[in-house]
Amino acid sequence: EVQLVESGGGLVQPGGSLRLSCAASGFSFSDYWMAWVRQAPGKGLEWVANIKQDGSGKFYVDSLKGRFTISRDNRKNELYLQMNSLRVEDTAVYYCARNHGKDYWGQGTLVTVSS
Amino acid sequence: QAVVTQEPSVTVSPGGTVTLTCGSSTGPVTSGHYPYWFQQKPGQAPRTLIYDASNRHSWTPARFSGSLLGGKAALTLSDAQPEDEAEYYCLLSYSGSRLVVFGGGTKLTVL
Repeated sequence: EVQLVESGGGLVQPGGSLRLSCAASGFSFSDYWMAWVRQAPGKGLEWVANIKQDGSGKFYVDSLKGRFTISRDNRKNELYLQMNSLRVEDTAVYYCARNHGKDYWGQGTLVTVSS
Repeated sequence: QAVVTQEPSVTVSPGGTVTLTCGSSTGPVTSGHYPYWFQQKPGQAPRTLIYDASNRHSWTPARFSGSLLGGKAALTLSDAQPEDEAEYYCLLSYSGSRLVVFGGGTKLTVL
C-alpha cells in the first residue's frame, strides 16, 4: 500500500525556519517525481515545488524561489522541504504528492507562522 | 506565470449531469498540459480523480469523466450523488512539468 506521511509542521515565528519531511512507503520511491503542495486556511491549492527522481531537477513556483528548497533522500525514501525566512502568509497545510499529484497524496502537515 | 481558470461555484441536482471546465491564460488546453482533476472534501486531503485529461484511477467512480472540450479541460459528472458535493481543482503542467499551476477550484453543490 502506497503511503505518504508528512511531518515537521508546527508553530514558528516570522523569519524562522522549518524543515518538513515526507516518509514514503509501499512503492519504489526513487522511480517517481515528488512534489510539495500547500493550502492556506480556507484557500485553494498552490503548487510549491517538485523534484525529479534522482534529485537532479528541482522546480519551484516563482514566488517561493530562494526561500524554499526541495530535496530528497532515496536511500531513506524521504522527501524534504526546507523553508526559510517564513512569513505569516506561508501559514498552510503542506502536502506531499507523488508523481506531480497524478495519484497519491499525504494527509498534510500544518505550518503556522505567527508571533 | 500562467493563470488557470475554473468556475467558482456550480450547482447540480441529484441525478443530474454537470461539466466543470479548466482554462489556461496562455491559450487552448491540450493533452500536452496533462490536465489533472482533484476532489477535495472539507478537512481531507485532495484525491486525484482524473489524470492526463481523461484517465480514471481505480478509485474514481465511473460517473466522473474527463475530456478536452472547446479549448479547455473538462470534468463531467453524470448521475450526481450527494457525496459528490466537494471542491474540485484542476491542474495544468507547462514546460514539461517545470511549471505546474492549479486552478482556483470549483465548489460543487448537489442540491
